[in-house]
Amino acid sequence: DGGITQSPKYLFRKEGQNVTLSCEQNLNHDAMYWYRQDPGQGLRLIYYSQIVNDFQKGDIAEGYSVSREKKESFPLTVTSAQKNPTAFYLCASSVDRLDYGYTFGSGTRLTVV
Amino acid sequence: DAKTTQPPSMDCAEGRAANLPCNHSTISGNEYVYWYRQIHSQGPQYIIHGLKNNETNEMASLIITEDRKSSTLILPHATLRDTAVYYCIVRGVYNTDKLIFGTGTRLQVFP
Repeated sequence: DGGITQSPKYLFRKEGQNVTLSCEQNLNHDAMYWYRQDPGQGLRLIYYSQIVNDFQKGDIAEGYSVSREKKESFPLTVTSAQKNPTAFYLCASSVDRLDYGYTFGSGTRLTVV
Repeated sequence: DAKTTQPPSMDCAEGRAANLPCNHSTISGNEYVYWYRQIHSQGPQYIIHGLKNNETNEMASLIITEDRKSSTLILPHATLRDTAVYYCIVRGVYNTDKLIFGTGTRLQVFP
């Protein structure tokens, strides 16, 4: 079945360490997105990419970095510059059509210890 | 900022229709209304979307008022598995327009 896979489901990081969250899709979608969700809050957009080798900052990009070397993959690195990285991270993808919904992964819960 | 306003929470008895309202008074003529839901600790799930006309699929119905300033998502026969946070989102027609999530409505379906 086609879908979007995020790994790992749970991730623990020590303060000062960088960590990379994986996001892979086999839906042949052009666009991919990273969102962050804090408890009781909605989703906030970190980065998005509409095509391979191109990506744009979202609303809260500081302290994060991404790459899009393959259509299927859009990894997110949470750097030590991110002041409050503990959160639930969600990856999504979509075709480049405005009348189409996003498909979301099941998320990665990152905890800084 | 989100362009929509939703009640923070609602209850619904199992088997009854759940009607979730959404206000989007500043919607422009070519913006879509999308609905997603998020079951606890999972990724959001697409439900339905519409532009002007009412829409129905296997999950729900979407009723959009004639002036397009509000809409209602209808789950015709709610089940316990429909307990989730429901997000109403307005999205523009340009490729640069992204989904912007508010805090949604927490729907609790009870037996």
